[in-house]
Amino acid sequence: QVQLVQSGAEVKMPGASVKISCKASGYSFTSYYIHCLRQARGQGLEWMGFINPSAGSASYSQKFQGRVTLTRDTSTGTVYVHLSALTSEDTAVYYCARGGQVPYSSKFDSWGQGTLVTVSS
Amino acid sequence: QSALTQPASVSGSPGQSITISCGGTSHDVGTFTGVSWFQQHPDKAPRLLIYEATKRPSGVATRFSGSKSGNTASLTISGLQAEDEADYYCCSYAGSNTFVFGLGTKVTVL
Repeated sequence: QVQLVQSGAEVKMPGASVKISCKASGYSFTSYYIHCLRQARGQGLEWMGFINPSAGSASYSQKFQGRVTLTRDTSTGTVYVHLSALTSEDTAVYYCARGGQVPYSSKFDSWGQGTLVTVSS
Repeated sequence: QSALTQPASVSGSPGQSITISCGGTSHDVGTFTGVSWFQQHPDKAPRLLIYEATKRPSGVATRFSGSKSGNTASLTISGLQAEDEADYYCCSYAGSNTFVFGLGTKVTVL
């Protein structure tokens, strides 16, 4: 079955960077876009960006442009989310989700378990 | 871009039907078919209920249905059940390889 397994919780100092991994299994990794989203405690879902695992190309929300980078390793079926210049506002649960086979599909049909990132001095 | 507009809360009694609206603009909901709905229980990952405005993935109960008219998408839950108490989010493709979510609606089963 389709499964996305994310790396564990992180605690970071303000100004630091964090790198979260998302390992996909149970389907053809290069055939579906992978999206990154986040959710602060008690708040709604926020879309951050996606990567085309086949081409390695990514697109980002304007809000995070310049601060977030999505990369992938096709040999292991893993997507990495790198977020830099962290502030307390970045404290949230970060999710990866499988999208569709085209970039404009919001069919996020399988989600990782979430990774809590806490930014605190 | 601005978040899609959802009511903060909707409630209903077991067996009743409720509808959650998702207001967008001609730059997102009104132009693109890529509108989805997600259900989220506390401390759980979201779950896809509806995609492409009206389509239901396999395994999702038929009491969940979606529609779209103009700049507004809607999710209807027919025959409300206790386990439907959760947060619900809509999401739309917004052009230029970007997506936008609604702020979420808390559904309470009375």
